[in-house]
Amino acid sequence: ETGVTQTPRHLVMGMTNKKSLKCEQHLGHNAMYWYKQSAKKPLELMFVYNFKEQTENNSVPSRFSPECPNSSHLFLHLHTLQPEDSALYLCASSRGQNTGANVLTFGAGSRLTVL
Amino acid sequence: AQSVTQLGSHVSVSEGALVLLRCNYSSSVPPYLFWYVQYPNQGLQLLLKYTTGATLVKGINGFEAEFKKSETSFHLTKPSAHMSDAAEYFCAVSQIEGAQKLVFGQGTRLTINP
Repeated sequence: ETGVTQTPRHLVMGMTNKKSLKCEQHLGHNAMYWYKQSAKKPLELMFVYNFKEQTENNSVPSRFSPECPNSSHLFLHLHTLQPEDSALYLCASSRGQNTGANVLTFGAGSRLTVL
Repeated sequence: AQSVTQLGSHVSVSEGALVLLRCNYSSSVPPYLFWYVQYPNQGLQLLLKYTTGATLVKGINGFEAEFKKSETSFHLTKPSAHMSDAAEYFCAVSQIEGAQKLVFGQGTRLTINP
């Protein structure tokens, strides 16, 4: 148990479906992140939230819609995805901005397959 | 812009042998440097980090890394590999300004041969 819990661990969806990924952290952190991990590519930062406000959107297509209702919960809403969106989606948390070297604590990831 | 290059997508060593995973970075300002490890079906976890001060950094599980500014490198080593070290290792860099924008390398898969 790393303190960051992601559900579901595996998700298969069609291109017309709508689904959501959930992330919860129990570490008292103030920042939360979504990363995309694809085979043979570096981890790609998608979104950053600080104190539930979005502070970074790394040019992510609008078919990915994040939501951060509070500092402990983060969602990634998915709709009209493409097969190339199949990947491992990692959630992470950290103490937040202006706290020096930002050490991330990662969840185990949600493996998404888009058919 | 920052970037990270990990030389070798796959490294294989014998149990008990030296582990050396290479990482070079580019950064226009003094960087923060990290090594993370990912075991199968798990997220990434921090092995060690360099911020300021001593350039030789010790981490968990017997790993260490040395920051060499002149070579823009932060190679990861372990004197004696153990079977449990088999995993994927990621080098990452960030800066004081924008410390939350962590840039990762492509990863190196470490295999340990009995």
